[in-house]
Amino acid sequence: GNSVTQMEGPVTLSEEAFLTINCTYTATGYPSPFWYVQYPGEGLQLLLKATKADDKGSNKGFEATYRKETTSFHLEKGSVQVSDSAVYFCALSAPLGGSYIPTFGRGTSLIVHP
Amino acid sequence: NAGVTQTPKFQVLKTGQSMTLQCAQDMNHEYMSWYRQDPGMGLRLIHYSVGAGITDQGEVPNGYNVSRSTTEDFPLRLLSAAPSQTSVYFCASSTPGLAGGTDTQYFGPGTRLTVL
Repeated sequence: GNSVTQMEGPVTLSEEAFLTINCTYTATGYPSPFWYVQYPGEGLQLLLKATKADDKGSNKGFEATYRKETTSFHLEKGSVQVSDSAVYFCALSAPLGGSYIPTFGRGTSLIVHP
Repeated sequence: NAGVTQTPKFQVLKTGQSMTLQCAQDMNHEYMSWYRQDPGMGLRLIHYSVGAGITDQGEVPNGYNVSRSTTEDFPLRLLSAAPSQTSVYFCASSTPGLAGGTDTQYFGPGTRLTVL
């Protein structure tokens, strides 16, 4: 079946530091990768996504490039802020025999200190 | 446009009690799903639906029932609550992806359930 592996946290950074959260996957067919963010006490919300190989998704200063050859979709941000403190989930939509089921990573907690 | 709404926000049950978690969406999405989130476990899919009248099991379906009589509503029923069902429950809705699977999922705010 499909699987998503993302780096374990927590990741602790100082404000304005560079952020990378790694995400790799195994999947059949034509997968579409996503990054979701969960702020404390809230549900998940879409951060960015890609629909085809070499696509770069971007939002709120975050970027991720869909690399089919390395089956990766690493999340990056050049300068993090305290308000970026949240849990980040890498996810994959890849039909299994035509079915719906999406696959989520376990989440990476990011803590940004002033 | 309210998106995905869930009620209640918090609930405390005693072992053996039953209850229904409500979920509704106003985006006319075909797909709806229920997840539970536990510390260190990420999100685990309980049940999902690809349209009114169609439901299927996810990764952890035992102890839960669902039905989908309308496009908008997708309630989750706990038949006989157990302490192992203490968790945060999220409902989500989406449309089909271009190449199958699912497009962006829209999540509700969650229901925090404690079973004593």
